[in-house]
Amino acid sequence: GAVVSQHPSWVICKSGTSVKIECRSLDFQATTMFWYRQFPKQSLMLMATSNEGSKATYEQGVEKDKFLINHASLTLSTLTVTSAHPEDSSFYICSAPDRGLTGELFFGEGSRLTVL
Amino acid sequence: GEDVEQSLFLSVREGDSSVINCTYTDSSSTYLYWYKQEPGAGLQLLTYIFSNMDMKQDQRLTVLLNKKDKHLSLRIADTQTGDSAIYFCAETYTGTASKLTFGTGTRLQVTL
Repeated sequence: GAVVSQHPSWVICKSGTSVKIECRSLDFQATTMFWYRQFPKQSLMLMATSNEGSKATYEQGVEKDKFLINHASLTLSTLTVTSAHPEDSSFYICSAPDRGLTGELFFGEGSRLTVL
Repeated sequence: GEDVEQSLFLSVREGDSSVINCTYTDSSSTYLYWYKQEPGAGLQLLTYIFSNMDMKQDQRLTVLLNKKDKHLSLRIADTQTGDSAIYFCAETYTGTASKLTFGTGTRLQVTL
């Protein structure tokens, strides 16, 4: 099946710094990718839809300036957590859909961010 | 908005069957999915079902859909310790490149 890879899988940073997380579709092109946030023992919450060549679409309550999304190519979307704070610590997951009728999403392995 | 609910925790003995339940509110849901998440990992699609189907079987997995009651279940036969994980149901009303609404997740614990 299709593969989506995230990097890094685990990052620790100091408060006030920015962290970039990459999401790559390895064997297919993705004009759309989705970014989720998952708190411990909770479900995935969609943060934004990343659109290749255009601006991302953010869900209500998600700060655009805080979570910068860039979808520069058909295989890469990046999420940058700017001026990170401890409350931004979370598990961030990306996904990309196939182009078939099922709308199957392929998920990355996730990136765990810890802000000290 | 859409709402997808699951029970939080299920414990079964190895070899028994597990049944994980899910209810949803969006009557226009056309695709329903079951995902598995192991600790510290992303989600793995297990199976999916179209809304015009009542049942789908795939090896040890059986999905039942009661569209009238908006109830979806996942049955795992001969549950193994490797099945211990969090299981999410998800739904969408469109078939392509759409946003999924995820359930709250059910943690399955398999004991010896």
